[in-house]
This record gives sequence, C-alpha cells and structure tokens, in this order.
Amino acid sequence: KQEVTQIPAALSVPEGENLVLNCSFTDSAIYNLQWFRQDPGKGLTSLLLIQSSQREQTSGRLNASLDKSSGRSTLYIAASQPGDSATYLCAVGTGGGNKLTFGTGTQLKVEL
Amino acid sequence: GAVVSQHPSRVICKSGTSVKIECRSLDFQATTMFWYRQFPKQSLMLMATSNEGSKATYEQGVEKDKFLINHASLTLSTLTVTSAHPEDSSFYICSARLAAGELFFGEGSRLTVL
Repeated sequence: KQEVTQIPAALSVPEGENLVLNCSFTDSAIYNLQWFRQDPGKGLTSLLLIQSSQREQTSGRLNASLDKSSGRSTLYIAASQPGDSATYLCAVGTGGGNKLTFGTGTQLKVEL
Repeated sequence: GAVVSQHPSRVICKSGTSVKIECRSLDFQATTMFWYRQFPKQSLMLMATSNEGSKATYEQGVEKDKFLINHASLTLSTLTVTSAHPEDSSFYICSARLAAGELFFGEGSRLTVL
C-alpha cells in the first residue's frame, strides 16, 4: 500500500526566503507525481506534474524534483511571498495516473 | 488550466435526508472523474472513480449504496449522499483528468449534516 509523507507539517518563513518542501513515498512504482496548493476551505490548484520518467519540472518560482528510486520529491519555492501561504499537497499517481495517494500536506505561512 | 466546477459549495441538511453534489468539467470532456473526501486536518482520500456510461468503481470501505455516483455525460458526474448522518459531514472534492494525465480539481463542497 502506497504511503505518502510530507515534512514539515507546518512551516513559517519571512517574505523573500527560498524554501523546500519534502515529500516521500514508500512504493517507487509510480506513474506520476503532482504537487497541489490548497487554500483554506477551497479545492486544489495543480502546481506541477512530474511524469515518472522525468526528474524535474519548473513553473515560475516553483521547481519540483523527483527521485523515484529513493521515493522522494521536493518542491522548491523561490523568493516566497505572503500570497504563497497555503497548504501544499503532494500526490503520487498510480494505475495510469488515475489513482492519487495524497500526503497530509505542509501548511506554509509566509510573513511580511 | 482546465476548469472543474462543483455545486453546491456549501450544504447543510438534516440527518436522514439525501444530498446531491454536481461536478462539471467546463471546457473539456472527461470520461473519468474522481470523488474524494477530506476530513478536517486530514488529507484527501479517494472514494470512487466515476466512469461515463458505466458503473462507478468504489474504493475499499466506501459504501456504494450510500454514496451514489452517476456519470451520465462527458461533462457531468454527480455524487448523492443518501440518508446522510452527522459522520458524513466532510469536504467532498471531485476531479477530472486530462488526456495528458494532469488532474484538475473542483472547488469542493462542504457538507454539514445536523
């Protein structure tokens, strides 16, 4: 059974700081890995999708890496802003990407 | 990105009643949609996979007679919580998948059963 763990559970940083969020998974036989952002009481916004054959994806200030063999992914956020405050979820896709197993998330707060 | 819309965003109902939640893909067709449930301070848990024109596939431990799923068209899936009880109170989120594999999620529906 796939298990996904995210560390840290919560993180508070000053504005402008670069930060790294970690995601680990127990079964390396994955189809893809996706990072999401969830604002309080809201749905999920897709940030980055990494296929199992890829090692990283970049979008603006976000960079996600994937090391399938070690069961790890990181989300790097450069020059953090207060608007980045949210819960970040990583989800591992199996079954052709149809089944997502989510981590419990990292709650990020970026302070002025 | 693709847009997935859910309705209603919030619903409060009495115990024993049934509640229907709609999930629509607004700018693309989705043969497959997914329903998740999220309890407070927990992550999302997949409940079922909704297949257009056929029966839904439920995850282990999810009662198919309690959570009725209908996927009658390529842009609409519905989840009906039948005979709702307070323990069914949760945040229900649907998603739809593009051919490239990326999943897009709706805004979620907060159900409160009194």
